Amino acid sequence: SQQGEEDPQALSIQEGENATMNCSYKTSINNLQWYRQNSGRGLVHLILIRSNEREKHSGRLRVTLDTSKKSSSLLITASRAADTASYFCAPHNAGNMLTFGGGTRLMVKP
Amino acid sequence: DAGVTQSPTHLIKTRGQQVTLRCSPKSGHDTVSWYQQALGQGPQFIFQYYEEEERQRGNFPDRFSGHQFPNYSSELNVNALLLGDSALYLCASSFGAGGGSTEAFFGQGTRLTVV
Repeated sequence: SQQGEEDPQALSIQEGENATMNCSYKTSINNLQWYRQNSGRGLVHLILIRSNEREKHSGRLRVTLDTSKKSSSLLITASRAADTASYFCAPHNAGNMLTFGGGTRLMVKP
Repeated sequence: DAGVTQSPTHLIKTRGQQVTLRCSPKSGHDTVSWYQQALGQGPQFIFQYYEEEERQRGNFPDRFSGHQFPNYSSELNVNALLLGDSALYLCASSFGAGGGSTEAFFGQGTRLTVV
């Protein structure tokens, strides 16, 4: 299955700390996308990293991709209470289909 | 520029009924994908429409069908509703089926409750 699997399932940190979430997948990909979801609402696109890229930054977000290990990580630096949400990784195959795991539920305490 | 819009936002239906959900893609996008998200789980791919045809399908029964119109908007139809169909239904739009290099943007979803 192409499905991304996030780890840990849940993460609780204090405001100002960094949060790291990991993602593993099983087959080759064209790219991998990370999304945030607040309280069962729509998914917000965070970042896309292509298979030939190893690291990408966007504001306080840093994403890495290791295609040899079929894994990715999302780092949120200097977390804020507003970062509280579920985070999903979605490996993207040639058919333009995203597959999601169960996500990481991040709780940032003020 | 409006993003992906879905309607309605909430819907309550009775078992056995039929439902139609609607999605308008982000401007410039031509591909629409539908996902089902049960409470506490990740979204599951239902199917994808491009050039008014179903291009890919996930592991969902034939009760789930769809349509894409010439303006790229799309509908998801579910027949003979079951209690287990209660979920958040998400629409995602992107540009160009296949290729695999474009971001997919999601709407806010339609919360369907089957009673």
